Amino acid sequence: ELQLVESGGGLVQPGGSLRLSCAASGFPFSSYGMNWVRQAPGKGLEWVSYISSGSYTIYYADSVKGRLTISRNNAKNSLYLQMNSLRAEDTAVYYCARGGMVGVTDGNDYWGQGTLVTVSS
Amino acid sequence: QSVLTQPPSVSGAPGQRVTISCTGSGSNIGAGYDVHWYQQLPGTAPKLLIYGNNNRPSGVPDRFSGSKSGTSASLAISGLQAEDEADYYCQSYDNSLSVVFGGGTKLTVL
Repeated sequence: ELQLVESGGGLVQPGGSLRLSCAASGFPFSSYGMNWVRQAPGKGLEWVSYISSGSYTIYYADSVKGRLTISRNNAKNSLYLQMNSLRAEDTAVYYCARGGMVGVTDGNDYWGQGTLVTVSS
Repeated sequence: QSVLTQPPSVSGAPGQRVTISCTGSGSNIGAGYDVHWYQQLPGTAPKLLIYGNNNRPSGVPDRFSGSKSGTSASLAISGLQAEDEADYYCQSYDNSLSVVFGGGTKLTVL
């Protein structure tokens, strides 16, 4: 069964750091691009970042550029999001989502259950 | 403000047909990039409903259909059912090197 399981969320103070992980199983992880998408409480979906299957192509939303870093370890079937200099507006549920085998324009066909990040003093 | 514009809400009675629009520009939908649609039930993760403008993943009922024309796309739901009550989002790609979502549309089944 295909699964994406996020972890690492929690409460952090403004300016702090957090590292999210997404454990993938049930499919050839190294063949797919991956995305992080977030959803602030009561708000819509916001794309955060994309990484290609081999990590050669990486994109970020302007709102997180320079503060958040996406990475992956295909040997461990894992996706990561290193979050630094966190702000209150980063408070959201963070989802990892499987992209396609073609590129960043593909849809996201599987999503994890999400992990909540709360930035507050 | 979202790059892709959706109506905040739509409604319909059981059995009726509703459409949800997604309006972009020449740098995203109009540039030829595919549009995808997601359904998000309360308290759950989004689910892919339509990919590549008009394709349904396995398991999605054929009551759901997508179309695209020019700088806009639409999701149509026919034979409306109570279980269709959810938030719906469109997604595409923009020449600014970013994935873009619509602001979401809340569907109410009357």
